[in-house]
Amino acid sequence: KQEVTQIPAALSVPEGENLVLNCSFTDSAIYNLQWFRQDPGKGLTSLLLIQSSQREQTSGRLNASLDKSSGRSTLYIAASQPGDSATYLCAALGGAGSYQLTFGKGTKLSVIP
Amino acid sequence: EAQVTQNPRYLITVTGKKLTVTCSQNMNHEYMSWYRQDPGLGLRQIYYSMNVEVTDKGDVPEGYKVSRKEKRNFPLILESPSPNQTSLYFCASRSSTGMDGYTFGSGTRLTVV
Repeated sequence: KQEVTQIPAALSVPEGENLVLNCSFTDSAIYNLQWFRQDPGKGLTSLLLIQSSQREQTSGRLNASLDKSSGRSTLYIAASQPGDSATYLCAALGGAGSYQLTFGKGTKLSVIP
Repeated sequence: EAQVTQNPRYLITVTGKKLTVTCSQNMNHEYMSWYRQDPGLGLRQIYYSMNVEVTDKGDVPEGYKVSRKEKRNFPLILESPSPNQTSLYFCASRSSTGMDGYTFGSGTRLTVV
């Protein structure tokens, strides 16, 4: 069964700092990997989608990378802002003979003004 | 606008009173699924549907029912809700290939007393 792990579970940084969120998955036979943002009690907003054939995707201050061979993805946030405070979830589609979406438990980010 | 619409957003009910949470998508997606999100447990899949009249159990299906009579709608039915079904519920959809990623609804906060 595919397992997705996100470390750290929580992260607090001062405003303006660049930061990296980590995501690892146990089965590298994924179709794609998706990063989401979730504000407290709210829905999931898709941030970036990386196909299995891609190495990275960029959107504004966000850059996500994918290394299938090592089972890792990172989400890089440049020049963090207080508005970036949220929980960030990564989810892998596929792996372990499945075509289901498996989520990590998220990294809760706090950006201090 | 492409979206997944869930209703209601908030619901408080009593043990044993049947309820239905509706989910509708306007992207002509074949695949739809329901998740529940609980603190410390992350997002877990309840049921999914590959297409009209095709449904299957996810990881935590006990106490839930679904139906897929139309492509756009995928309601979640709790025949006899219990307090342990108090949770935040999400509906999601994707195309049959999943290559465009998942789109999630805004969530339904259910409290069973």
